[in-house]
Amino acid sequence: QVQLQESGPGLVKSSETLSLTCTVSGDSLKSRGRFWGWIRQPPGKGLEWVASMYDGGTTYYNPSLKSRVTMAVDTSTSQLSLKLKSVTAADTAVYYCARHSPNCGGDCYFDFWGQGTRVTVSS
Amino acid sequence: DIQMTQSPSSLSASVGDRVTITCRASQGISNYLAWYQQKPGKVPKLLIYAASTLQSGVPSRFSGSGSGTDFTLTISSLQPEDVATYYCQKYNSAPLTFGQGTKVEIK
Repeated sequence: QVQLQESGPGLVKSSETLSLTCTVSGDSLKSRGRFWGWIRQPPGKGLEWVASMYDGGTTYYNPSLKSRVTMAVDTSTSQLSLKLKSVTAADTAVYYCARHSPNCGGDCYFDFWGQGTRVTVSS
Repeated sequence: DIQMTQSPSSLSASVGDRVTITCRASQGISNYLAWYQQKPGKVPKLLIYAASTLQSGVPSRFSGSGSGTDFTLTISSLQPEDVATYYCQKYNSAPLTFGQGTKVEIK
């Protein structure tokens, strides 16, 4: 069974950089055709796709966040990472990592999700 | 970018009622449409993909239909455990936009 577990600082100061990691088990980040993503959900609001990384390291970012966000994969530790710089209160959210289903061969729906990590940006 | 619009934003129905949620894409996305269920305080769960394919383990009272720009999620007989917010998501190409969600409650 694929499992994902996010970890993060919980509290970040405004204008600083948010760094999150996601540890994957039950699947291999090295496997061909494995794609991974991040989604966030502000308190009381809907889901917002943040970023995805595809086979070979190609990354796609939400256009509204593109200038501030970086996603990476470390296959040696089976971890995904997400960095979001110059955070504001609007970046306060639960951040989820998730696996794209391997059925599509590219852009795909998310079939496994982590439990999410709550991030609050303080002034 | 393609926008995804769900309607209604919320609904209240009785146990046993048939419930329909609509998702409209601002441009055609073929059948690259997924539906998720998020119960209060929980992680989103995949219900349907490819517009109409039920994810393994999802009760058969859930169904999806549509293609192109108009899609529906139907709960044939609403159950108390179906209280949740439902989201559609397009995945034909990035950005992988979600709809704004439809909150389903029991009357």
